[in-house]
Amino acid sequence: GENVEQHPSTLSVQEGDSAVIKCTYSDSASNYFPWYKQELGKGPQLIIDIRSNVGEKKDQRIAVTLNKTAKHFSLHITETQPEDSAVYFCAASKAGRRALTFGSGTRLQVQP
Amino acid sequence: DAGVTQSPTHLIKTRGQHVTLRCSPISGHKSVSWYQQVLGQGPQFIFQYYEKEERGRGNFPDRFSARQFPNYSSELNVNALLLGDSALYLCASTTSGGLSSYEQYFGPGTRLTVT
Repeated sequence: GENVEQHPSTLSVQEGDSAVIKCTYSDSASNYFPWYKQELGKGPQLIIDIRSNVGEKKDQRIAVTLNKTAKHFSLHITETQPEDSAVYFCAASKAGRRALTFGSGTRLQVQP
Repeated sequence: DAGVTQSPTHLIKTRGQHVTLRCSPISGHKSVSWYQQVLGQGPQFIFQYYEKEERGRGNFPDRFSARQFPNYSSELNVNALLLGDSALYLCASTTSGGLSSYEQYFGPGTRLTVT
């Protein structure tokens, strides 16, 4: 089955700096890659996603890139703010398989 | 619009007992998925239901079962609870169960503690 690895497990940045979280996946048939933000005591919140026919997608301070050949995708957060502090999860799924396979999460801490 | 709702918020059960968790999807969404999130890990897929039919099942024992009702709400049932079942149980809704639908929106979860 699909396996998703996520790095780093923890990331501490200064407010205003950029943060990058990377994930690799094993199943070349995977074609949908969402990113979730989970705050303490809450469920995961979908923040951005990308499909395999697109190499990059941006939404204000957040961007995701996908390299299908290398089977990895990354989340980029620019101009980080303290409210960006949370656990971020990457995930992957493919047509015909309705489950999301999640990475192990990255705890991002933005220092004011 | 209301998001995905789950009940109860927290639950404490004893080993060997049974538990039922409930989920209401976003209005207009017809598909519900269940995930288990153990502390410090990413969510793991348990089930997906669409139009009252099971459309996917993860690697969980038969003690776990679920169903979906005509109003698209869903229940997750776990029998013979084990200490290892302690986790946050998440429900996610999707617009449809079709192959072209992907976005899953999660509820706040039910925190289950088994003692």
